Amino acid sequence: QVQLVESGGGVVQPGGSLRLSCAASAFTFSSYAMHWVRQAPGEGLEWVAFIQYDGRKEKYANSVKGRFTISRDNSRNTLYLQMSSLRAEDTAVYYCAREGPYGDFRGAFDIWGQGTMVTVSS
Amino acid sequence: QAGLTQPPSVSQGLRQTATLTCTGNSNNVGDQGAAWLQQHQGHPPKLLSYRNNNRPSGISERLSASRSGNTASLIITGLQPEDEADYYCSAWDSSLSAWVFGGGTKLTVL
Repeated sequence: QVQLVESGGGVVQPGGSLRLSCAASAFTFSSYAMHWVRQAPGEGLEWVAFIQYDGRKEKYANSVKGRFTISRDNSRNTLYLQMSSLRAEDTAVYYCAREGPYGDFRGAFDIWGQGTMVTVSS
Repeated sequence: QAGLTQPPSVSQGLRQTATLTCTGNSNNVGDQGAAWLQQHQGHPPKLLSYRNNNRPSGISERLSASRSGNTASLIITGLQPEDEADYYCSAWDSSLSAWVFGGGTKLTVL
């Protein structure tokens, strides 16, 4: 079935770096825009980053701009999030999510991974 | 980035109807409308509706959505215990050039 599986989370010290991966299966990954969305413990959802289906356009939340980089390898059906200069407030479950195939409507995340936990702590 | 506004909690009785709201502005909800997501504790979110009242396949007909101006609503009829969850709205904000979420509403079925 259509699936997204994240990996790469863990515990990292403040100022450190981490790379998350999201493996897609059972759909044409190269046809879909993708996002990273995070959720701090006990908190709501926060959009983090977007990448166009072909990787030519990226967008970032102000809170991560300049520190995080989203990328994709369509030959490997994999989405990435390179995180650097990590802060305590980056502690969250990180989800990859697919932008739904709903024409010109933007903002419907129709497939989600199970999430990977990132903890920034000394 | 400013988000959308949702009431923190809503409670309603079994088999009753709950209405959840999501307020934005003319650059997000008032423009393209909103999507709604359901999240049970310990699980990823699940898409319930998009562009105000379109349901992905497999979503119960007890759920419907609408929009009036800058406010989107999710209506759940015949409440069941499994409807108890957190509900989020999301939208594209053309002014911020970013995606925004509401803070979430915890629905309790009494």
